[in-house]
Amino acid sequence: DADVTQTPRNRITKTGKRIMLECSQTKGHDRMYWYRQDPGLGLRLIYYSFDVKDINKGEISDGYSVSRQAQAKFSLSLESAIPNQTALYFCATSDYQGYEQYFGPGTRLTVT
Amino acid sequence: QKEVEQDPGPLSVPEGAIVSLNCTYSNSAFQYFMWYRQYSRKGPELLMYTYSSGNKEDGRFTAQVDKSSKYISLFIRDSQPSDSATYLCAMKGGSYIPTFGRGTSLIVHP
Repeated sequence: DADVTQTPRNRITKTGKRIMLECSQTKGHDRMYWYRQDPGLGLRLIYYSFDVKDINKGEISDGYSVSRQAQAKFSLSLESAIPNQTALYFCATSDYQGYEQYFGPGTRLTVT
Repeated sequence: QKEVEQDPGPLSVPEGAIVSLNCTYSNSAFQYFMWYRQYSRKGPELLMYTYSSGNKEDGRFTAQVDKSSKYISLFIRDSQPSDSATYLCAMKGGSYIPTFGRGTSLIVHP
């Protein structure tokens, strides 16, 4: 089984809809991250969490919110989706050192 | 100017060529230098990392860090079609959050 799983893998939604992307990990790590990847822009950090009670904004948090339900679960929500949130979204986890991040398979989100 | 600069390519080479991938950076506090490989429709995976300066070799892959020039490189010897992927450099210092480059798309054609 994969160490980091993401659901759904693909999603098409309409402008204004609320959508949640879910992430689970079996690495036993405390630290979890949400990134989005756009062609030509690389990986950009949306939110990160160092433990269940710690949530921090990343580079591009506007329009997004997160919930850390447990050590192993970290969800990303788009409260009111807009077309420029169309992207590939990755969840990742790491140990306290942080240099090796374990990424999930990604969620391809399209907002029409 | 971004903290980490990486040419997105694409870089197209024939099978067997030596490939050189590079990144420059501006933050002198970076101590860990990583290379991730990302195949199409997959998440990135750590390929190699180096702490501080110097070289590190793993099979056909060699990572180099020149802190005086703020320049890192990944060399791939005897490149194979299976090496075709996007290669992302990443760096981190005291913060636990790595900073990623934009990634370079590599195509190795038979």
